[in-house]
Amino acid sequence: QSALTQPRSVSGSPGQSVTISCTGTSSDVGGYNYVSWYQHHPGKGPKLMIYDVSKWPSGVPDRFSGSKSGNTASLTISGLQAEDEADYYCCSYAGSHTLVFGGGTKVTVL
Amino acid sequence: QVQWVESGGDVVQPGGSLRLSCAASGFIFGNYGIHWVRQAPGKGLEWVAFIWFDGSNQYYADSVKGRFIVSRDNSKNTLYLHMNNLRAEDTAVYHCAKDPGSWYYMDVWGRGTTVIVSS
Repeated sequence: QSALTQPRSVSGSPGQSVTISCTGTSSDVGGYNYVSWYQHHPGKGPKLMIYDVSKWPSGVPDRFSGSKSGNTASLTISGLQAEDEADYYCCSYAGSHTLVFGGGTKVTVL
Repeated sequence: QVQWVESGGDVVQPGGSLRLSCAASGFIFGNYGIHWVRQAPGKGLEWVAFIWFDGSNQYYADSVKGRFIVSRDNSKNTLYLHMNNLRAEDTAVYHCAKDPGSWYYMDVWGRGTTVIVSS
C-alpha cells in the first residue's frame, strides 16, 4: 500500500489553470476507474471534489475536472480563484478492499 | 445536513489503548458504510479502515491490522475505532467519513480528533 505520487506544490495566478498529477501503478490507479480527489483546508474535514475519475459531486463547480491516462490521474482547476488555495489529495481503490491516498499537493494562488 | 462529531482523542503512552467515537446526524446512519482516515503531522491522508453499513464486515490498512478494530452502534448513530498497542507513528488527526454506497470514495468528512502517542 505505497502512497500515490503527487507533486508537493503547484501555483498559478487568478484565472489561470493548474493541473495536479497523481501517479500510481497498475494495481491501483491504472487498474480501476475509482480515483477521487479531495480539497483540504487545515482544521476542516476534507471535501470531495471528484469521484470515479471524472464525476462531480453536487455543488462542486465544473472548474474542477478529473481525468486518467494509464497509471496517472489528473485534477485540473480552471479559472483559478483565491478560495481554491488548499491541499489536494487523490485517492484510488487498490484492490482487496483497500484504498490508497496520494501524498498531497499544496495549491497556491499567487 | 450531514454532520459528524468526533471525540476521544487524547495523549496516550506507547503500547496503550484508546477508543475514538464519531456521532452522526443528518442522514440514515445505518444505511451507509463508514471510513476512518488519518493524517499524521506534516504528512498526507492515510486510509485506515472501513465498516459496512450493518457492521458485518470490516477492512483495514496493513499498518493497523491486528491492532485497530472498527465497530458501530446503529441504534446510537455512532462509529467507533478501538486502538490497541499504540505506536508513535499512530499520532495523527483521525477523521470519520461517510461512504455514499460505492465503497470507493467518501462524500462527507468530519473535522477529526487528535491522537498523540508519546511517553
